[in-house]
Amino acid sequence: EDQVTQSPEALRLQEGESSSLNCSYTVSGLRGLFWYRQDPGKGPEFLFTLYSAGEEKEKERLKATLTKKESFLHITAPKPEDSATYLCAVQLLTTSGTYKYIFGTGTRLKVLA
Amino acid sequence: ETGVTQTPRHLVMGMTNKKSLKCEQHLGHNAMYWYKQSAKKPLELMFVYSLEERVENNSVPSRFSPECPNSSHLFLHLHTLQPEDSALYLCASSQDNVREPYEQYFGPGTRLTVT
Repeated sequence: EDQVTQSPEALRLQEGESSSLNCSYTVSGLRGLFWYRQDPGKGPEFLFTLYSAGEEKEKERLKATLTKKESFLHITAPKPEDSATYLCAVQLLTTSGTYKYIFGTGTRLKVLA
Repeated sequence: ETGVTQTPRHLVMGMTNKKSLKCEQHLGHNAMYWYKQSAKKPLELMFVYSLEERVENNSVPSRFSPECPNSSHLFLHLHTLQPEDSALYLCASSQDNVREPYEQYFGPGTRLTVT
């Protein structure tokens, strides 16, 4: 069964304390892996797409990496405004020839000033 | 308006009511999606439309009925819902759904409460 697991479920960091969020997946036919940020009361906001193992993407204090079994979202020197829930999603090709997305449950990040 | 908009933002309805959720995307995308987000659960894909044609229906109960009159608008018609249907309903769009793994853009969601 296709599955996406994110860890930890929740993370509290002091401002400036770097850390990593994990997204592990067990799927067949991965076409892309996506990271989103979701603030309370809002829809997810797109951050990155990764297509193949070894690929890396960066945006400000965030860096996403991908291996054949998992992806990491590294947060360097986080600030309180980085507090949010970070969602990982994988994109698979369905038998009908379209794409579908499977999301993880997310990591709730809280950065303390 | 920019991005993906959803109305209403909040909805309280009784189990015997009929209501509709509306989504509009201003991005020129060809694919649109409905998701259900419940506490401590991953986003559940409900329906996928590509060029106004429904291409995915993930075993959603018939009390949820989608409608896509054109590539910019998506509706979710609700009737005789159950309390367990209370959740955040998110609409999303992407450039395409059949050729490349495009990212999705989400609306702010409709917080639905069924009493």
